[in-house]
Amino acid sequence: AQKVTQAQTEISVVEKEDVTLDCVYETRDTTYYLFWYKQPPSGELVFLIRRNSFDEQNEISGRYSWNFQKSTSSFNFTITASQVVDSAVYFCALSEARGNEKLTFGTGTRLTIIP
Amino acid sequence: NAGVMQNPRHLVRRRGQEARLRCSPMKGHSHVYWYRQLPEEGLKFMVYLQKENIIDESGMPKERFSAEFPKEGPSILRIQQVVRGDSAAYFCASSPWTGGNIQYFGAGTRLSVL
Repeated sequence: AQKVTQAQTEISVVEKEDVTLDCVYETRDTTYYLFWYKQPPSGELVFLIRRNSFDEQNEISGRYSWNFQKSTSSFNFTITASQVVDSAVYFCALSEARGNEKLTFGTGTRLTIIP
Repeated sequence: NAGVMQNPRHLVRRRGQEARLRCSPMKGHSHVYWYRQLPEEGLKFMVYLQKENIIDESGMPKERFSAEFPKEGPSILRIQQVVRGDSAAYFCASSPWTGGNIQYFGAGTRLSVL
């Protein structure tokens, strides 16, 4: 069975600070995919990144970066120089790569950026 | 290319009524997933459909809930005889094929049961 744990329920930081959101996962599969989604106050889910289990390279996209470490089953997300628009709930998710790719979500981390 | 369209955005029903939630996937997408988000919780998988087929409904409650994705038209999530505990946000996602494909989500339908 798959499981995603986001231990941080809520985080508040002052604008321009860096913040890291933690994600730990469990799966028996050797091939799987990891995702991050953002849910702003308006409620929709916005895709941020997908990572294949074979690709452990870290990724950077603007102020966002992701650190994938298979050895610790973690896929952490860092926002550099946070902005008020980053305030949202962030979900980490996992899917197996066997045709049925339903997502298993963590419970989310509510991030509040204080101006 | 329009995104995943869900309607209605908000739906209010009284206990015992039926709720029908519609999802039109992105153009070219033939895989649809439904998820439910209870207040202050993460999303939970309900059902996975391809055109005219239910592939996995392991997350659906055994009674009162059903889903379809016909050859023509949107996918429908139907909840019969709603109860207060059905109040939640229901999200639909679509993808063009499997193989680690990104699921793109609609804006969700917020169901409130009075």
